[in-house]
Amino acid sequence: GENVEQHPSTLSVQEGDSAVIKCTYSDSASNYFPWYKQELGKRPQLIIDIRSNVGEKKDQRIAVTLNKTAKHFSLHITETQPEDSAVYFCAASPTTSGTYKYIFGTGTRLKVLA
Amino acid sequence: DAGVIQSPRHEVTEMGQEVTLRCKPISGHDYLFWYRQTMMRGLELLIYFNNNVPIDDSGMPEDRFSAKMPNASFSTLKIQPSEPRDSAVYFCASSLSPSEQYFGPGTRLTVT
Repeated sequence: GENVEQHPSTLSVQEGDSAVIKCTYSDSASNYFPWYKQELGKRPQLIIDIRSNVGEKKDQRIAVTLNKTAKHFSLHITETQPEDSAVYFCAASPTTSGTYKYIFGTGTRLKVLA
Repeated sequence: DAGVIQSPRHEVTEMGQEVTLRCKPISGHDYLFWYRQTMMRGLELLIYFNNNVPIDDSGMPEDRFSAKMPNASFSTLKIQPSEPRDSAVYFCASSLSPSEQYFGPGTRLTVT
């Protein structure tokens, strides 16, 4: 069945450094790839997303890249700050095949050290 | 915009009891999703609705779980009878399209 693998499971970086989280997916029908940030005890919140007709998307310090051929997509956070510390989830979803299930990755716990 | 509203926020119940979780989606959103989050299994989609109609319930773990959406502004997830392994955080999410889902604050369920 559909599967999304996410690496690493934990990531510690110094404040100001960059962080990269990588995901791979198995369903070639997937064409929408959101990233969610979940702080401790809070709800997942959408931080950025990308569609399969785009290779890269940026929003201030965060960016997402997509390699549809290799079925890889990545989240890049530059100039990390302590408030970036959270669990980040990637997901993949088809939006045109009639079923719109998000398949979530297992999450990456990011810790930004001050 | 109040966002997705869920109630109760916390629920503690004894094994065998019926549990009902409630969700009010964002006004105008026509997709509603129920998720379960645990440390072991991560975020799992249980069921989703489009225009109040259940579309995919393949994630519902067993017959003890049922979900309804009687109108565009209300949905319930019911567990009867509840078991300790049902302990988890249950999230409701809604969206205007199949993408960009907005999550509610969640209901933390503890079954003793």
